[in-house]
This record gives sequence, structure tokens and C-alpha cells, in this order.
Amino acid sequence: NAGVTQTPKFRVLKTGQSMTLLCAQDMNHEYMYWYRQDPGMGLRLIHYSVGEGTTAKGEVPDGYNVSRLKKQNFLLGLESAAPSQTSVYFCASTLLAGGTNSYNEQFFGPGTRLTVL
Amino acid sequence: AQTVTQSQPEMSVQEAETVTLSCTYDTSESDYYLFWYKQPPSRQMILVIRQEAYKQQNATENRFSVNFQKAAKSFSLKISDSQLGDAAMYFCAYRSVRGSQGNLIFGKGTKLSVKP
Repeated sequence: NAGVTQTPKFRVLKTGQSMTLLCAQDMNHEYMYWYRQDPGMGLRLIHYSVGEGTTAKGEVPDGYNVSRLKKQNFLLGLESAAPSQTSVYFCASTLLAGGTNSYNEQFFGPGTRLTVL
Repeated sequence: AQTVTQSQPEMSVQEAETVTLSCTYDTSESDYYLFWYKQPPSRQMILVIRQEAYKQQNATENRFSVNFQKAAKSFSLKISDSQLGDAAMYFCAYRSVRGSQGNLIFGKGTKLSVKP
């Protein structure tokens, strides 16, 4: 099992450019998440998905869009990159998320370092 | 909304000594999970230990243990016999049991240095 993989690992963009970050998991997980990590901050939730074809906004969704067309993939898009989006982006997945005694570990990808000039 | 606070931006410990990292949280829920994650320079997020709020017994994992004080909403991490490989950022995180999101709410982290 590869677990959670992210593509690319590093990227430099110019302001106004667009790009898509790909997250893939091979664990048949239902739930997937995109977080961003900024210096001096913990990880903050951008968007999440509770299953194929469904997405929802997290804490900091502005400037990002997501899609979950296939269960194993969760894409994060930046339509017009801004310097404020310079960050490290983490994808995570878990089998199920609800209920007492239903703990399932959340697995993280290796992160993507994005710099917007 | 739930919040997680780590009041120690940086900590330092001598190799083989014990160090305690602090974490407090705010919630109105009675059932939840708490976690400590380690992030070494490689950036990979590694789960160190977890605690279910309904369990009174403090979780332990080898050299790592927690002091979970539910009434005080405190969740500290104790690292015993510190090793050079323990140097990393440590994040405290909260996860609701209710609801369908299942996402983690993180503190800002504590950078731990280990001196040889």
C-alpha cells in the first residue's frame, strides 16, 4: 500500500496562475481532507469530502476549489494563485469519521510546498 | 466551535531527560478524541498517541504518555528518556465524535529541541 500520496511535492507559481494538487489514497477510505499549514500555525481545514461526488467547505475555503470524481482521488484547485496561498498543503484520509467507538486513524500525505510569487 | 491551544512555541530537553508539552482545548462536547502528532523536518505527520474522552485511563505508547484532565480540558504529552530523534514539531489535535466531518482541529504546535 502506498497510503496517501500527493502530487507534486513542490511547486512555484506566479500570481494569477492556476494549478491542481492531486491527492490519491489506496486504502478505500471514504473521507478525505485538504489542510494548509502556515508558519506558526497548525493545520487548517480547506475543504473535505465524505464520499465520492461530495465536497464541503472547511475553515479556510476561499480561493480554492475541490473535486472528488473518484473515491481514491481528491483534487485541490487554485484558479488564480495569490501570494497568500503560499503554504504547505496536506491531504489526509480516513475510513469513516462518525460515532463513539468508531475511531479510525487519519492518514496524511507527505505534503506539497507551494510558493506563489 | 472547538479550539486547541498550545502555549509553548518552543521547548528544549536534554537527551535522556523527560519533557512535558502542554495543550488545552475548549469544547462543549462530552465525547471526542484528542491526539498528539509529531512532524519531523521531513514534514510527514506522524500520529504519536490518541486519547478517547470517555476513557479515564491515560493513554501510553512506549516512552510517550499523556495526562488527560477532562474537567480542566487539559491534555499534556510527556516524553520520557528523550532521544535525538524526538526533535520535531508536536501538534495537539481535537476531533469531534458527533457530526459528519471528522476533521482534526490543531493547535499551533510546539517545537521540541533535544540537546545531546
